[in-house]
Amino acid sequence: AQRVTQPEKLLSVFKGAPVELKCNYSYSGSPELFWYVQYSRQRLQLLLRHISRESIKGFTADLNKGETSFHLKKPFAQEEDSAMYYCALSVRSNYQLIWGAGTKLIIKP
Amino acid sequence: SAVISQKPSRDICQRGTSLTIQCQVDSQVTMMFWYRQQPGQSLTLIATANQGSEATYESGFVIDKFPISRPNLTFSTLTVSNLSPEDSSIYLCSVEGSSGTEAFFGQGTRLTVV
Repeated sequence: AQRVTQPEKLLSVFKGAPVELKCNYSYSGSPELFWYVQYSRQRLQLLLRHISRESIKGFTADLNKGETSFHLKKPFAQEEDSAMYYCALSVRSNYQLIWGAGTKLIIKP
Repeated sequence: SAVISQKPSRDICQRGTSLTIQCQVDSQVTMMFWYRQQPGQSLTLIATANQGSEATYESGFVIDKFPISRPNLTFSTLTVSNLSPEDSSIYLCSVEGSSGTEAFFGQGTRLTVV
């Protein structure tokens, strides 16, 4: 079965500390994974996708097929990173996204 | 990218009534998706709407309760019928991007049923 697991509902770190938001997936096909972010009072938006292998706002995420993980990392957290983060898996057969439960990230000053 | 205008942004409705949510996209898209997002929880897909065909509903969601229209490639509506307090939630419209996988979202409609 297709599934995305984000084990932490809430993650709180101090400004300047490293951040890692965990995401594990279950999918028999070739996965395409995304991180979406929702800042307070803003719409849900794409942060990054594994295919692009890019760094957005200092965040990176590496697909580890062996561990079926796609953890989101940032070496030095900033207060403006406080938001809700969702990991999502694309099911290409019907263009649907399978969503994790989300992790609320709070950056303390 | 796609720009989505969703309205209303919020509404307070009496139980037993209905609310229709509109979603307008600035480009033609094949697939439009309707989600429900309950406070502090993840997104739950209600249905997928293709132009010219019946919407496909996910388990737990039925057409009588959530009728959807998709008259053209840039517009869709979701109606939440016979409202009860349990329907209080945020409803989101989403479309797929040009790659067919990335999703774009409307601002959401916050529905409160009293």
